[in-house]
Amino acid sequence: DAKTTQPTSMDCAEGRAANLPCNHSTISGNEYVYWYRQIHSQGPQYIIHGLKNNETNEMASLIITEDRKSSTLILPHATLRDTAVYYCIVRVYASYDKVIFGPGTSLSVIP
Amino acid sequence: SAVISQKPSRDICQRGTSLTIQCQVDSQVTMMFWYRQQPGQSLTLIATANQGSEATYESGFVIDKFPISRPNLTFSTLTVSNMSPEDSSIYLCSGGTGENTQYFGPGTRLTVL
Repeated sequence: DAKTTQPTSMDCAEGRAANLPCNHSTISGNEYVYWYRQIHSQGPQYIIHGLKNNETNEMASLIITEDRKSSTLILPHATLRDTAVYYCIVRVYASYDKVIFGPGTSLSVIP
Repeated sequence: SAVISQKPSRDICQRGTSLTIQCQVDSQVTMMFWYRQQPGQSLTLIATANQGSEATYESGFVIDKFPISRPNLTFSTLTVSNMSPEDSSIYLCSGGTGENTQYFGPGTRLTVL
């Protein structure tokens, strides 16, 4: 079973920040939070991951609460190309650990 | 990062036949995985493709239906055997790199008539 809960869907105005929440209250000390997205008819794309500190890369920022029970993925200036299903996943930081997908959040960026 | 390709990209098959899907990675990866994505749903893990040994299957998936090969660190195949219309799905492979990030192929869209 997926270890995370996310809203089913969200809308965001183009050019505004998209804030996607994720709850992972049962996360273990050695588990990281990963975010992937799947644009229609494509394979999932890795976005970002983190353990307990906030992380930022060229795609997004990841904010993890101090108790690590929830996190937020931030797309700072959403574009129409960011319309996708976003998956929040917790897993061990190791290539052998499986990526188990939940239902994710369907983000629609609106002109 | 790793670039993953799959062949074929799509196929239409008759029930009772089998289809083998190929997954090629442009660099050596420690682990490879196969997923199924049924229409309108999330991805479901089928199995872990182990190099040099038998694949490890998730609950609900069996080797006779989904035989998997992984002859080296850059290539794997998944066969969908004795197909029925319920097997119509997108099949995706993924590979884990030294950066501990899973990269995914574009998927193979299978339609069974």
